[in-house]
Amino acid sequence: EAGVTQSPTHLIKTRGQQATLRCSPISGHTSVYWYQQALGLGLQFLLWYDEGEERNRGNFPPRFSGRQFPNYSSELNVNALELEDSALYLCASSSFAGGFHEQFFGPGTRLTVL
Amino acid sequence: DQQVKQNSPSLSVQEGRISILNCDYTNSMFDYFLWYKKYPAEGPTFLISISSIKDKNEDGRFTVFLNKSAKHLSLHIVPSQPGDSAVYFCAATVWNNDMRFGAGTRLTVKP
Repeated sequence: EAGVTQSPTHLIKTRGQQATLRCSPISGHTSVYWYQQALGLGLQFLLWYDEGEERNRGNFPPRFSGRQFPNYSSELNVNALELEDSALYLCASSSFAGGFHEQFFGPGTRLTVL
Repeated sequence: DQQVKQNSPSLSVQEGRISILNCDYTNSMFDYFLWYKKYPAEGPTFLISISSIKDKNEDGRFTVFLNKSAKHLSLHIVPSQPGDSAVYFCAATVWNNDMRFGAGTRLTVKP
């Protein structure tokens, strides 16, 4: 069974640009979660999608947004990139809504903002 | 606000000895606690968890202890093996809400 996949592996952008990160959950999983891991910090909860709807979001500005598609894959969009957005972005999925304690993580996308 | 804290960024132990990783939290609403292990270039993988109604959970070489009055949990690895070398994250969740992670502790097990 394929795990959670994320693309691209690495992404380099400049300040002010937009970044789009993609996530494909494990087959059969309906909930997708996004986290940011900045250097020296733990994972910070960003967004949770289930059945196409945003269910909860962490303490991040509105320029962090996303969506979940009918096939349960998800996109994370970061607008007006700032240097401090440089981080590893991790996606996770679970088989039921709110299954934070049963989520499986992807390998992450490393975003670098120059 | 850092509701989950891992105050030791790194820990080094000898193979065969015990590794103890510590984690403190501030939110008394947390009802489930987890430990994840992360290797470079990989996502975190679930290791062991404990419900807030328990004070101990054991799985092979891994044991998690929860002290609710002190808002403290620890992960014990006995005996430690070189393959255990990784970054360990403590996490806590309020059911069906979100999950908070600590900053991680890098464990190095020396042969």
